[in-house]
Amino acid sequence: EVQLVESGGGLVKPGGSLRLSCAVSGFTFRNGWMSWVRQAPGKGLEWVGRIKSKTDGGTTDYAAPVKGRFTISRDDSKNTLYLQMNSLKTEDTAVYYCVTEGGNAYYMFFDYWGQGTLVTVSS
Amino acid sequence: DIQMTQSPSSLSASVGDRVTITCRASQSISSYLNWYQQKPGKPPKLLIYAASSLQSGVPSGFSGSGSGTDFTLTISSLQPEDFATYYCQQSYTTPWTFGQGTKVEIK
Repeated sequence: EVQLVESGGGLVKPGGSLRLSCAVSGFTFRNGWMSWVRQAPGKGLEWVGRIKSKTDGGTTDYAAPVKGRFTISRDDSKNTLYLQMNSLKTEDTAVYYCVTEGGNAYYMFFDYWGQGTLVTVSS
Repeated sequence: DIQMTQSPSSLSASVGDRVTITCRASQSISSYLNWYQQKPGKPPKLLIYAASSLQSGVPSGFSGSGSGTDFTLTISSLQPEDFATYYCQQSYTTPWTFGQGTKVEIK
């Protein structure tokens, strides 16, 4: 059974930093492309960014609102995904989900989701 | 970025009703369209991928159709467990983008 468990959320002041972790099991993590998706309270889903597998280059892509402030990384030896968030703004307040990018060469979809971790940015 | 627009934003329906939700993309995305269901306090769940392929384990009462810019999610006979919020998502190109959601409520 695939399990994704996020941690590291909490309350942080505007301008502050936070690092989220996502521990993955039941899945060959090193081969997986991983994304972070967030959801502000009472709002819809917003893709934050993704990291490809090292086999596929290990490159990252980010949504415009977080580019330059957030960094996604991975430690395949620990089956763990990270999201480093710097220069946090109040509008970054959301539940952050760790998600696997499944599919094949033609179609991508988000197939496994963690339960999410809440990040609150407030003074 | 590709904008995804769902309609309606919410709807009220009864158990047994046929429900249709539409999703429109701001440009052609071929069949690169996924549908998710989200219940309160839970993460989303994949229902449909590639516009019309049913994810393993999803009841056959769910179906998807469309290509290009216009897509539809249909629930053939609404069940009590189907009351939730539904999102479309394009997988044509990054940044991956979602529709704003359609909340299906009990009439």
